[in-house]
Amino acid sequence: DAKTTQPNSMESNEEEPVHLPCNHSTISGTDYIHWYRQLPSQGPEYVIHGLTSNVNNRMASLAIAEDRKSSTLILHRATLRDAAVYYCMSGSSNTGKLIFGQGTTLQVKP
Amino acid sequence: DADVTQTPRNRITKTGKRIMLECSQTKGHDRMYWYRQDPGLGLRLIYYSFDVKDINKGEISDGYSVSRQAQAKFSLSLESAIPNQTALYFCATSGQGNTGELFFGEGSRLTVL
Repeated sequence: DAKTTQPNSMESNEEEPVHLPCNHSTISGTDYIHWYRQLPSQGPEYVIHGLTSNVNNRMASLAIAEDRKSSTLILHRATLRDAAVYYCMSGSSNTGKLIFGQGTTLQVKP
Repeated sequence: DADVTQTPRNRITKTGKRIMLECSQTKGHDRMYWYRQDPGLGLRLIYYSFDVKDINKGEISDGYSVSRQAQAKFSLSLESAIPNQTALYFCATSGQGNTGELFFGEGSRLTVL
């Protein structure tokens, strides 16, 4: 089964870029990489996903290493509302084995 | 109304009691999941179901059972609750395909005394 690891916490200053890393060293060829974030007292919500190529959407960018064993979620300009726990997840929806990392708590300082 | 609804939102019970956490969804998704969240451990998959007749164990299924009563309903049971099952439990759904985005409920906080 895929194993996914993330740093426990990171800090950023407001309006600066944030790079959140994730290692998924046992990822298989058909596993996607997903990122979710969880605000206090809420369930996790989808941020972005990718397979091999880098991806951009309105919330963030996802940079995937060439060997796919790691990825980085990029928040281009952190705001106070981005303070949350960010989860990396790898796996295959078709197998149902969607395995989350332990999450990175992002603190954003004004 | 939320697309994925969990009941109860909070529950305190005693060791040895039987507990059921319920999940219902209005997204029309076939796939449903139960996750457990503990501080420092993230989200761990307990059980998942691809349809009413397809139920599978996840990473940490011991001590838990599930029932998929209908496409829209997926229940998690603790037959005899123990204190280390104190946690925040999340239900999630996803659509077809390998890239399915997960949609989570708001969580059910269970405390076992």
